[in-house]
This record gives sequence, C-alpha cells and structure tokens, in this order.
Amino acid sequence: DAKTTQPPSMDCAEGRAANLPCNHSTISGNEYVYWYRQIHSQGPQYIIHGLKNNETNEMASLIITEDRKSSTLILPHATLRDTAVYYCIVRVTRYDMRFGAGTRLTVKP
Amino acid sequence: ETGVTQTPRHLVMGMTNKKSLKCEQHLGHNAMYWYKQSAKKPLELMFVYNFKEQTENNSVPSRFSPECPNSSHLFLHLHTLQPEDSALYLCASSQDIGRPEAFFGQGTRLTVV
Repeated sequence: DAKTTQPPSMDCAEGRAANLPCNHSTISGNEYVYWYRQIHSQGPQYIIHGLKNNETNEMASLIITEDRKSSTLILPHATLRDTAVYYCIVRVTRYDMRFGAGTRLTVKP
Repeated sequence: ETGVTQTPRHLVMGMTNKKSLKCEQHLGHNAMYWYKQSAKKPLELMFVYNFKEQTENNSVPSRFSPECPNSSHLFLHLHTLQPEDSALYLCASSQDIGRPEAFFGQGTRLTVV
C-alpha cells in the first residue's frame, strides 16, 4: 500500500473552511484515497473516499490532484465539533485500513 | 450513533482474570473487525471476520481469542493479559470486506492492572 504523509497538526477558525492536505506520491492506479476522523475517545468515523475524480458529500469535499499524488479534504464551514484527528488512507488490500498518525485539527472559536 | 455497539465501555481487569468484550451491529453487515489503539500509536488491525469466518489474524497473541457466532455479534475473549495490553479496543463492521466504508463502535477502554 502507498504511504501517506500528513501534517501533524493544524488550526482552523470556526466558520472557515478547513483544508487538510495529504501526500501519497507512490499511489498506484487501483488505490483509493479514504478519509476518516477520530474525535477524542471515540471510534473512527468514515468521511469520504475517491479514486481520481473530486467527491463531495454532506460532510466534506475531497479534491484529488490530476496526477493523484496528493489530495485535500475540505470541511467547508468548520465547527468546534470538527476538532478531531483526521486520517488519510490509501488502500489496496481489501480490509486492512492502515491508520497512520493523522492530522490533529483544532477548530478555534 | 453508528449502529455498532460495544460493551462494556470501560473495563479494569487483573492479569489473572478472564473477561470478554462484546460487539453488536444491526446494519446487516457481513464483515466485522477488531482493532487495538494503544496510547500514541496508530490503530492496529487484530482480526477480521467475513460471513462469520475468520479471514485475518494479524499476528495477535493467543491471550486474545475472538469469536463470531453470527454476522451480528463479535466477541473478544481476554485471559492472562499484560499491563501493556491496556488500550482502546475498537470493533468495526462493513457491508463486506471489499467495501471502504467501515462503521466503528465507541470502543472499550481496557486497563490491565
């Protein structure tokens, strides 16, 4: 599976867009990009996934660069409840979701 | 509420005790998973069950024994644990092992004394 690199921490002002980057320069053609988040002391929560096209759902948008070597998760209007650790995962094996260290996002009032 | 329920939420046990963690999902999913999350470490996949059959044992010590009596229930039996086994144990389920969207329970915070 391709390795991902994320900044260890980021801050965002409440109500502003939070843009969380992820580098996956060794991604192969059949690997998807998945995003999960984990709010303190809770289980991880699935957010979104994509292969090459940009994706949007009720929680977030996922922007994948044309060469697929990086992606950005966008929370359009961050709230205090979005404070969490966000994990970017590139996956080829069917079930082994390899969670790295992630990005700790702190949304500030 | 994710549809995956774990009990108990907190557990303290001695090294000679035997205890069990329970996970239940009513999502109609066919795949269930146990993960371990130690302090300041990434989540580690422990076991995978697909249609009640174990398909993955990620080199987990035998003091952890999983059981999947049906597609809705998953247990993790614990015996003679060590203090370093103290962690958050998370259960997850997905429609099948090929689907990306996994639903996690709230976890059981285990402390071994």
